[in-house]
Amino acid sequence: QITLKESGPTLVKPTQTLTLTCTFSGFSLSTSGVGVGWIRQPPGKALEWLALIYWDDDKRYSPSLKSRLTITKDTSKNQVVLTMTNMDPVDTATYYCAHRGGWYVPFFDYWGQGTLVTVSS
Amino acid sequence: EIVLTQSPATLSLSPGERATLSCRASQSVSSYLAWYQQKPGQAPRLLIYDASNRATGIPARFSGSGSGTDFTLTISSLEPEDFAVYYCQQRSNWFTFGPGTKVDIK
Repeated sequence: QITLKESGPTLVKPTQTLTLTCTFSGFSLSTSGVGVGWIRQPPGKALEWLALIYWDDDKRYSPSLKSRLTITKDTSKNQVVLTMTNMDPVDTATYYCAHRGGWYVPFFDYWGQGTLVTVSS
Repeated sequence: EIVLTQSPATLSLSPGERATLSCRASQSVSSYLAWYQQKPGQAPRLLIYDASNRATGIPARFSGSGSGTDFTLTISSLEPEDFAVYYCQQRSNWFTFGPGTKVDIK
């Protein structure tokens, strides 16, 4: 079955760079149509899409955060890494990675448990 | 950027009642819309994709309809486990989520 798990620091200081890793199993990121995305959710607030990387290494970013985000994949390790620069307290949120279900279910059909990142000095 | 608006913000209903949730897009998203359910402390769960297709394992009491800018998620008869927050999401132009509708127990 498909599983995803986020890992990374739980606390970062303002202006620092956040690096999160999504380690997954049950699918290959070299399969046509498949993607892995990152979505975040501030405490008590709505979901916000951040970035998505496709099987062919095509990358998409939220327009409002594009300058701060980088998404990469390591197919051999079954990992996707998201970096976000210049962190601010407003970036405090639970960060999720999710599987984009290919051509037939092109939405986020499997999600990790999420990891809470707090930005504070 | 396509903005999604959900209404109502909160829906107070009793088990067994019918729930009707609305999602409106600021411009047409064709049928490229999904619905997710999220319970406290849990990740979202995909319910409906491409406006009307139930995801794997989703009970038949959940149904989606609409196209263009107006979409509806209907829960035909609320079960105790259906009280949660529901989000819509579009994939027509980048990806955006709506602000959510909370379905709580009356």
